[in-house]
Amino acid sequence: SQKIEQNSEALNIQEGKTATLTCNYTNYSPAYLQWYRQDPGRGPVFLLLIRENEKEKRKERLKVTFDTTLKQSLFHITASQPADSATYLCALAPTGGFKTIFGAGTRLFVKA
Amino acid sequence: EADIYQTPRYLVIGTGKKITLECSQTMGHDKMYWYQQDPGMELHLIHYSYGVNSTEKGDLSSESTVSRIRTEHFPLTLESARPSHTSQYLCASSELGLAGVTDTQYFGPGTRLTVL
Repeated sequence: SQKIEQNSEALNIQEGKTATLTCNYTNYSPAYLQWYRQDPGRGPVFLLLIRENEKEKRKERLKVTFDTTLKQSLFHITASQPADSATYLCALAPTGGFKTIFGAGTRLFVKA
Repeated sequence: EADIYQTPRYLVIGTGKKITLECSQTMGHDKMYWYQQDPGMELHLIHYSYGVNSTEKGDLSSESTVSRIRTEHFPLTLESARPSHTSQYLCASSELGLAGVTDTQYFGPGTRLTVL
């Protein structure tokens, strides 16, 4: 069956360090992959999209990589700040499919 | 800035009442969605729509119903609320996601429903 896995354990890092979150998937051929941020009690907010033919995408302090051989995406936040503390969700759009599938998310805590 | 609105933001209601959660978007998106999410848990898709007069059930079975009479409006109705319906309900909209156009979803602020 199709599956998206994100680390269910919270990630705790010190301010200024780089946070790296992982998204693994099985039994998908994704056309593209998206990362969203969700704060408690709020709806997710779109951050970045990377297509299957792209290896890396950057936006300010954010970087996403996409390895279709490993079936994995990594999401990096450089020079992390306490304001980056949130839950980060990855979402896959299967090739030829009409429904994006969300992972369960990884909670990030950045300590000052 | 994405414009998608949900009302009410918070609702506390007694068992057996009929409720309608409102969702409106001003982006002209064809596709709209309803998700259910408990605190600290993952999103569960309960309904979606490809456009006017289109409604589909999602992955999570739900006793709610939806309608799509206008492009911008996608209300969710519970005929008889029960305590098990207590949750956060999130509405989202997107492009259709065809012909290379991505279906990035824009979410509303959510409705926190409590059924006593």
